[in-house]
Order: sequence, then C-alpha cells, then structure tokens
Amino acid sequence: SQTIHQWPATLVQPVGSPLSLECTVEGTSNPNLYWYRQAAGRGLQLLFYSVGIGQISSEVPQNLSASRPQDRQFILSSKKLLLSDSGFYLCAWSVGGPRLFGQGTRLTVV
Amino acid sequence: QKEVEQDPGPLSVPEGAIVSLNCTYSNSAFQYFMWYRQYSRKGPELLMYTYSSGNKEDGRFTAQVDKSSKYISLFIRDSQPSDSATYLCATSQNTGNQFYFGTGTSLTVIP
Repeated sequence: SQTIHQWPATLVQPVGSPLSLECTVEGTSNPNLYWYRQAAGRGLQLLFYSVGIGQISSEVPQNLSASRPQDRQFILSSKKLLLSDSGFYLCAWSVGGPRLFGQGTRLTVV
Repeated sequence: QKEVEQDPGPLSVPEGAIVSLNCTYSNSAFQYFMWYRQYSRKGPELLMYTYSSGNKEDGRFTAQVDKSSKYISLFIRDSQPSDSATYLCATSQNTGNQFYFGTGTSLTVIP
C-alpha cells in the first residue's frame, strides 16, 4: 500500500536560519507531489507542485523553494526564514486521483 | 467569489446525532468532490471521493452532491466523540487540475 512520510512533525527555528522539510512517498511510482501551507481559518494554500523529477511549479512567490531530487522525494527549503513563514506545512501526493496528505510539520519561526 | 465556501462552525452535537456538513462551489465544471477529516495537529485524511452527482455511502458516512445547486454535503450517522475533528470539502474539474479546498468546519461530538 502507498504511504507518505513527512518529517519532522514540529520544528522551531530562529529568524534567518535555513529550512529543509522532507517528504517521501512509498508504494507508488511517478506521483504528483505537492507542498501546502495551512493557516487557521484560511484553508490550504498550494505552494509548489511537481509532476516529475526536477520539475517544480510555484504557485505563490515567496521565501520558499522546492526540489524533487528523486521520483518519490520532495523537499521544501528556505535559505533564510521569516517570522511569516510560521505555519503548518503539508506534503501531499496523487496519481490520477485525490490529494493524499502526510501528517504535516508545524513550523514556528521565533 | 471563492471557488468553495464552507461554514467554519464550530458545530457541537450530542453523541448519536446525525451531523450534516455542507459546502457550496462556484464552477459548474467541477466534477470531483472530496471530504477530508483532520484531527488537531494532523494532516487531512481522505474520507470520501465522489465523481459527478449522487450519493456515496461508506459506513456511517454519506457524501451527497447536487450539481444543479452546486452543493455538496457530508452526513455522519450515529456520531461518536471520535468524529470530533475539522472536516474539509474539496473539488476539482479533473484529477490533474487545481484542487480547491474549503476552509473546514470544526465539529465536536459531546459524549
């Protein structure tokens, strides 16, 4: 069966520090991969999506970037975190169907 | 106008009650409809996935789509305290396109 792993579950980082969140999917090949941010009362905001290795589309210009070095690996990065980067980050995948989400990373920038 | 509108609640019901959660959408081209359940500090979990109009039942959960009124509903029968969570609706025109999510309805089932 397919599973998605996302880590870490929680992260506290100082302003200006770098960020790397990782997501991996098991049990499927060539999935579409997504990074979302969820803010209270504001729903899910799509940040990046990828249809294949090295192919990244950005939905929202911001302080973040994404990379897909392997078929089932998706990484969200920042060189210098801002306070406004705090939030709940979700990785998701799909193969011709609905989005299936990981357990999320709660990022607090202090 | 947002693509998907969802009443944020909160909704509080006694255990055993029938719960009705609803969303409206704006684009008549949307064909795929989903309901997710999200527990606090966890990722959304897919509950129901339907195509076009009609009903789909899975245990105590029934998803209903009325394309004529652009209205989607999730019914929970015999609600349990473990159903306490935020429920998000979502829709899309096709599976490869942008998915649009509601902001979620917070549900509490009181024992």
